[in-house]
Amino acid sequence: KQEVTQIPAALSVPEGENLVLNCSFTDSAIYNLQWFRQDPGKGLTSLLLIQSSQREQTSGRLNASLDKSSGRSTLYIAASQPGDSATYLCAVNLRGKLIFGQGTELSVKP
Amino acid sequence: NAGVTQTPKFRVLKTGQSMTLLCAQDMNHEYMYWYRQDPGMGLRLIHYSVGEGTTAKGEVPDGYNVSRLKKQNFLLGLESAAPSQTSVYFCASSYEGGEIPNQPQHFGDGTRLSIL
Repeated sequence: KQEVTQIPAALSVPEGENLVLNCSFTDSAIYNLQWFRQDPGKGLTSLLLIQSSQREQTSGRLNASLDKSSGRSTLYIAASQPGDSATYLCAVNLRGKLIFGQGTELSVKP
Repeated sequence: NAGVTQTPKFRVLKTGQSMTLLCAQDMNHEYMYWYRQDPGMGLRLIHYSVGEGTTAKGEVPDGYNVSRLKKQNFLLGLESAAPSQTSVYFCASSYEGGEIPNQPQHFGDGTRLSIL
């Protein structure tokens, strides 16, 4: 059974820091991996999607990497801002179904 | 640009009552999904649909039924609500043009459901 784990569960950093969020999964036979952002009381916003054949994707200050063989993905956030405060979720696409991690709650202090 | 719209946003039910949650998308997406999000459990797939008139079970389907009579709508029904179904329910949709699903899923803002 596919399991998706995100470490740490919560993270607090001062504004301006670069940071890395981690996601690991147990079954490497994934179609793709997606990173989401969830603000309190809101739905999920897709940030980046990495296909199984890709190694990384970039969007603005965000960079996501994927290492299928080791079952790991990282989300790198450069020059963090208070507006980045949210919960970040990773999800692997296993045969058409998304399996989610439990998220990392990020707080960026001004 | 509505995207994925869920109604209602909040609801309180008594045990044994029934209700239907509505999800509507205006992006002409083929695939639609219903998830529930619970503390400590993350998001889990309840049911999904790969096109109008089709439905399939996800990870936690028991106690729920779904229907996809129109491409833009996906309904989630609770026939006899139980306290264990207290949760936040999210609908999502995606456009899939090939054999392997590889498009990002777009989510609604959720329905917060409490069963007393």
